[in-house]
Parts: sequence; structure tokens; C-alpha cells
Amino acid sequence: GQSLEQPSEVTAVEGAIVQINCTYQTSGFYGLSWYQQHDGGAPTFLSYNALDGLEETGRFSSFLSRSDSYGYLLLQELQMKDSASYFCAVNSGGYQKVTFGTGTKLQVIP
Amino acid sequence: GAVVSQHPSWVICKSGTSVKIECRSLDFQATTMFWYRQFPKQSLMLMATSNEGSKATYEQGVEKDKFLINHASLTLSTLTVTSAHPEDSSFYICSVTRMYEQYFGPGTRLTVT
Repeated sequence: GQSLEQPSEVTAVEGAIVQINCTYQTSGFYGLSWYQQHDGGAPTFLSYNALDGLEETGRFSSFLSRSDSYGYLLLQELQMKDSASYFCAVNSGGYQKVTFGTGTKLQVIP
Repeated sequence: GAVVSQHPSWVICKSGTSVKIECRSLDFQATTMFWYRQFPKQSLMLMATSNEGSKATYEQGVEKDKFLINHASLTLSTLTVTSAHPEDSSFYICSVTRMYEQYFGPGTRLTVT
């Protein structure tokens, strides 16, 4: 089976940097994805790592270490609108099947 | 990307009745769609994989006779919650996949009274 663990809550100050960690145990691993979900809304895709290393997309970066079964999402220059839940997710079954982590609720404060 | 719609966006039904939720891929032909359920303050739990023209694949612990999935065309999948009970009240979300990205519908909030 699959299991993914994340911190349940993180609080950070506007303009700061925050890192959300994710550890996973899985079979048939293709890659690690990150999604953002605002309250009441649907998840939206942020990033995907298939290989070890850092992927940067604007203010967001994502890191993967396959040997450590570990990844993180790095959010820079935090804005109030970044307050949301963030989920790591494992892609398996030929990319398509995605299993979500427990989710981290990020609160950005002034 | 891909644009996915769901209908209805919210529904209230009485215990014992059935509810059908539609998921449409508006700009992409999807041979596979996914159905998730999310309880308040919890993660998304994959319920089943909907396959166009064939039977759905259900995750362990999901009752296939209770959650009926029909993927009749490349743009439409439906989830029917049969004999709904209050514990089925949840946020139901469908998605389509392009490569490794999942594109989600806006979700359907089901409340069973």
C-alpha cells in the first residue's frame, strides 16, 4: 500500500520562506506531486518531481530524494493568499493513479 | 491543462435515496477518470478509477454496489451513491489526468439528512 506523512499545520509570516516536508512509503513509485487546496475548493496542481533534485516554478520549489523516500515543497516570499492546505501525492500505476498525503494546513500571518 | 466540470455542485438528500453526480471533461477526451472523497479537514481518498467502456476499479474498502460508476463516453463519468446515509455526507471530487498532472472538477458537496 501507500502511505504519506506530512506535518498537519504550519504557520509562517508574510514574506518569509516555509518548507513543507513529506515522507512516503509506496510501491510502484513514478514521482511525487504537490497540490494546493483552498478551503471549499478543489485541489490544483503545483509541481511534480520524477527525479532527485530541485524543481523551481516561480515562488514555489519542490525537492525529491528517492533514496530517502522524502520530498519537500518550498514556498518563498509568502503571501496571504498562500494560506491553504498543501498535499504531497505519489504518482503510481503509470503516472495516472495518485495517492494523497495527509495534508498540511498553512496559515500565513501578517 | 484540462477543464473539468461537476454537477451538481451541492446536493441535499434524504437517507435511503440515491444521488447521481456527473463529471465532465470539457476539453479533453479522458479514457480514465478518478473519483475521490474528502471529509472535512481530511485528505482526498481515492474511491475508484473510472474506465471508459469497462468496469470501474474500486479501491480497497469502497463498496462497489453502493458507489456505482459509469463511464459511458470519453467526456462523461457518473457516480451514483445508492441508498445514501448520513455517513456518506462528504465532498466528492472527480479528476482527469494528463501525464502526471491531475485536473480536478470543482467538487460536489453531498449532505444526507
